[in-house]
Amino acid sequence: QVRLQESGPGLVKPSETLSLTCTVSGGSISTYFWTWIRQPPGKGLEWIGNIYDSGSTNYDPSLKSRVTMSVDTSTNQFSLKLNSVTAADTAIYYCARGVRDYYGMDVWGQGTTVTVSS
Amino acid sequence: DIQMTQSPSSLSAFVGDRVTITCQASQDIRNYLNWYQHKPGKAPKLLIYDASNLGTGVPSRFSGNGSGTDFTFTITSLQPEDLATYYCQQYDTLLLIFGGGTKVEIK
Repeated sequence: QVRLQESGPGLVKPSETLSLTCTVSGGSISTYFWTWIRQPPGKGLEWIGNIYDSGSTNYDPSLKSRVTMSVDTSTNQFSLKLNSVTAADTAIYYCARGVRDYYGMDVWGQGTTVTVSS
Repeated sequence: DIQMTQSPSSLSAFVGDRVTITCQASQDIRNYLNWYQHKPGKAPKLLIYDASNLGTGVPSRFSGNGSGTDFTFTITSLQPEDLATYYCQQYDTLLLIFGGGTKVEIK
């Protein structure tokens, strides 16, 4: 059974970089794509971007200038970096596995809360 | 950019009621639409993929329909455990976009 687990600081200062890692256990990081999605307080789900095992990426246009995703197939991990954060980046951040056949996310991490505050 | 308009934003219904949520795309997205259930404090769960295909282990009271620009999601007999927010998600352009969500409450 594939499991995803997000890890990283729960508190980030404004203007600094948010860094999260998602560890994939129970399955291979190949074949699928891997995605980050967030939910700000009181708001809906927001897609941040996708990364493939090849390292190719797609990012939401509104975040593209601040986002970097990477993947490490040797450790079965993928990561998110979001720079120059503001309070608007406060959210629950989810990592998820995407199925290429229908570009839907069939396995999700439990989510991690990141607060941007000084 | 493709816009996804989901309605209603919230609804309240009785156990046993039929509930329908709609999602409209600003341009043709063929059948490239998925539906998720998101319960408070939990991770979202994929219910429907490719507009009408039931996800693994998903109860048959959930269904999806539509193609092109207009899509519907239906719960044929609402259950207490269906309390959640439901989202549509499109992928026609490989840039994934979620609808605004529909919060379903039980009367």
